Amino acid sequence: QVKLLQSGAALVKPGASVKMSCKASGYTFTDYWVSWVKQSHGKSLEWIGEIYPNSGATNFNEKFKGKATLTVDKSTSTAYMELSRLTSEDSAIYYCTRKYYGYNYWGQGVMVTVSS
Amino acid sequence: DIVMTQAPLSVSVTPGESASISCRSSKSLLHSNGITYVYWYLQKPGKSPQLLIYRMSNLASGVPDRFSGSGSETDFTLKISRVEAEDVGIYYCGQLLENPHTFGAGTKLELK
Repeated sequence: QVKLLQSGAALVKPGASVKMSCKASGYTFTDYWVSWVKQSHGKSLEWIGEIYPNSGATNFNEKFKGKATLTVDKSTSTAYMELSRLTSEDSAIYYCTRKYYGYNYWGQGVMVTVSS
Repeated sequence: DIVMTQAPLSVSVTPGESASISCRSSKSLLHSNGITYVYWYLQKPGKSPQLLIYRMSNLASGVPDRFSGSGSETDFTLKISRVEAEDVGIYYCGQLLENPHTFGAGTKLELK
């Protein structure tokens, strides 16, 4: 069955960067776009961007350009997102999700806390 | 960006009764290919969102047929018939017509 397994929670200092992973299994990783979605505490969902593993092509929400970097490792069926120059506004849960007729599979989420 | 506006913000429903949630988009989500790119998700407490409805009216795999979606180019409705305890959570509409993909603010469904 399809699974997206994300890395664990992260506590990072302001100004630092964090890189999280999303390991896919149960399907052909290179055939589907992987999106990343932010959910601030008690808030709605915010689309960060997406990557097509087969080619590495990306699309971003303008708001997150320069903040998020998306990459993949096809050999391990893993997608990565790195967030840079972190501030308290970046404290949130980050989900990876597979796009196919909507976001039909989601990872369990990574809680990122930015604090000194 | 396309703005998705949901109403109400919260709804309280007696088990066994039905509930409807509305969503309005700031732009038509009807593509020239005839597909309307609106989706509905449910986020149960402490869980990741799950897809309920895709392309306005299609039931996602494994979703009970108590859920249904309908609408026009800019106005959409999610209907839940015979609400059960497992339906509690926050419902989001979202659009995939254009980047950035956007979501509504969410509607919280509680049981009376």
